[in-house]
Amino acid sequence: QKEVEQNSGPLSVPEGAIASLNCTYSDRVSQSFFWYRQYSGKSPELIMSIYSNGDKEDGRFTAQLNKASQYVSLLIRDSQPSDSATYLCAVSGGYNKLIFGAGTRLAVHP
Amino acid sequence: SAVISQKPSRDICQRGTSLTIQCQVDSQVTMMFWYRQQPGQSLTLIATANQGSEATYESGFVIDKFPISRPNLTFSTLTVSNMSPEDSSIYLCSVTVAGPYEQYFGPGTRLTVT
Repeated sequence: QKEVEQNSGPLSVPEGAIASLNCTYSDRVSQSFFWYRQYSGKSPELIMSIYSNGDKEDGRFTAQLNKASQYVSLLIRDSQPSDSATYLCAVSGGYNKLIFGAGTRLAVHP
Repeated sequence: SAVISQKPSRDICQRGTSLTIQCQVDSQVTMMFWYRQQPGQSLTLIATANQGSEATYESGFVIDKFPISRPNLTFSTLTVSNMSPEDSSIYLCSVTVAGPYEQYFGPGTRLTVT
């Protein structure tokens, strides 16, 4: 059974701090990795994709991938209250399908 | 990305009835998927909607309960049949546009079964 594990949180960080969200996955052959943000009552929104080992930066977001450790993370710099949401990690599972983690709830407090 | 719409956005239905949810995309897409998200839970894939052929269902989901159509590359429907309160959930369609795994989600349909 292919699995994606995330700490459910809540992860509470002060405004302006760095939020670090982590995800591990079980399938060594996975090649594509995604982070989705989901606000309460809304559908998931794709915010980052990463395919190669290392870091990928987009604005305040940095995705990090380590395939040897089967680990992917998302850093949010200068966290804002508007970043408060559930962050879903998703990993390619074959046949064009994604396997989603349970999500980490992030709370950024002023 | 793509602009994805779903109808209805929400509905309240009686047990034993059926509801058909529509997913419309503003451009032709390769893959379309249907997910369920129960309160406080993550996403569970119901099936892959295949254009011109029968959908591919995940373990635990069957065609009799969740018939799916995909008549063309921009439209799909999911029917929730013979509903029970356990079917109360948010139903989401998603599509891939560029990369094979990069999925974008519709706004969802919030279903309550009484």
